[in-house]
Amino acid sequence: QTVVTQEPSLTVSPGGTVTLTCASSTGAVTSDHHPNWFQQKPGQAPRALIYSTNNKHSWTPARFSGSLLGDKAALTLSAVQPEDEAEYYCFLYYGGAQLNYVFGAGTQVTVL
Amino acid sequence: EVQLVESGGALVQTGGSLRLSCAVSGFTFSGYWLTWVRQAPGKGLEWVANISPDGSRRYFVDSVRGRFTISRDNAKNSLYLQMNSLRVEDTAIYYCARDATFGFLDYWGHGTLVTVSS
Repeated sequence: QTVVTQEPSLTVSPGGTVTLTCASSTGAVTSDHHPNWFQQKPGQAPRALIYSTNNKHSWTPARFSGSLLGDKAALTLSAVQPEDEAEYYCFLYYGGAQLNYVFGAGTQVTVL
Repeated sequence: EVQLVESGGALVQTGGSLRLSCAVSGFTFSGYWLTWVRQAPGKGLEWVANISPDGSRRYFVDSVRGRFTISRDNAKNSLYLQMNSLRVEDTAIYYCARDATFGFLDYWGHGTLVTVSS
């Protein structure tokens, strides 16, 4: 069973920078996993932020950026705003005969 | 405007069946993969199943394979999830989403709640 691991929680000050990471139990995360990132606030459906490592949705603020960092995917929030407080999920593509996808368990970002 | 609207969620007993629907508008339905994602109360997201634009390819997470079926009607712009042999652990909000490319779930519905009681 494939497991995607994220930090359970991170705290950042307003105006600060925070980096969330996403690791795979199968080995290094690469562009072939097409890392996606989603934001979810309480009571709301998830919202797409980043796709295929570092591409932004039309509504993604410029302060959000995606990358590969070592053997992980990463989401960096710069100049953090209070409204960025949310749960963030990474989502990886594994392909193969069963064409499966796996979400990470999510990172709760607190702006304090 | 792209819209996805789920329906069909309900309270059902263990072993029962339920069919979820997702009505779509605002884009060329037959041009996209579509996906079901679920979220158990207070838990994270779980990819459940997806289906190719023409319906010929269908994939499932291990925990539902053999119990759930995904289908679509391109003439009605609708996506379905037939859930059989339901278990308590299937209790969740079920979201439908459009997959623009390799898991880029760019538009989501508001979700529909399925509760399985023993």
